[in-house]
Amino acid sequence: AQSVAQPEDQVNVAEGNPLTVKCTYSVSGNPYLFWYVQYPNRGLQFLLKYITGDNLVKGSYGFEAEFNKSQTSFHLKKPSALVSDSALYFCAVRDRVGRRALTFGSGTRLQVQP
Amino acid sequence: DGGITQSPKYLFRKEGQNVTLSCEQNLNHDAMYWYRQDPGQGLRLIYYSQIVNDFQKGDIAEGYSVSREKKESFPLTVTSAQKNPTAFYLCASSPPPERVTYNEQFFGPGTRLTVL
Repeated sequence: AQSVAQPEDQVNVAEGNPLTVKCTYSVSGNPYLFWYVQYPNRGLQFLLKYITGDNLVKGSYGFEAEFNKSQTSFHLKKPSALVSDSALYFCAVRDRVGRRALTFGSGTRLQVQP
Repeated sequence: DGGITQSPKYLFRKEGQNVTLSCEQNLNHDAMYWYRQDPGQGLRLIYYSQIVNDFQKGDIAEGYSVSREKKESFPLTVTSAQKNPTAFYLCASSPPPERVTYNEQFFGPGTRLTVL
């Protein structure tokens, strides 16, 4: 079975400071990894994904994530946070074989203070 | 949210009633999914369908049913057997293997179901 852990329910950061949202995963084989963002009462928007290749993945809105196989982590980062980044962030994983549906973490609420 | 529509946006149901949530996509995607979102629990998979006329149970299928008679449509019925149906329901789809975005899922705007 595959699983995702987002250990922080909420992350608070001041505008202009770097941010990190943590994610660790467990799958039986090699993973596909994803980050999505959700604004209130909306669906999820895709931010970035790791499929293969470079461990540092760059995505939408200046976000990036680093795949670390030895630590089974895929932390989301941004060098300089904006107030508009405040939202709910989900990490997701799927195995390279088996069902195409994603397994999601419980979500981390990012609050950026002006 | 582009290309995937869910209706209604808000739905109220009395206990003991079945209700059907609509999901339509015009992206020519082959796979479709239903997730349930509860506060603090992330998204949990209810049902998914890889092709027309075929679907599989997800992790929390009890009390739900689906159909996939058309590629564009994947309606979800919440039956009276679902003990705690109040939640936010999200439909998603993903493209066929020949597309660059094959591994991604695209989400609709969601339906908030409340049981009165």
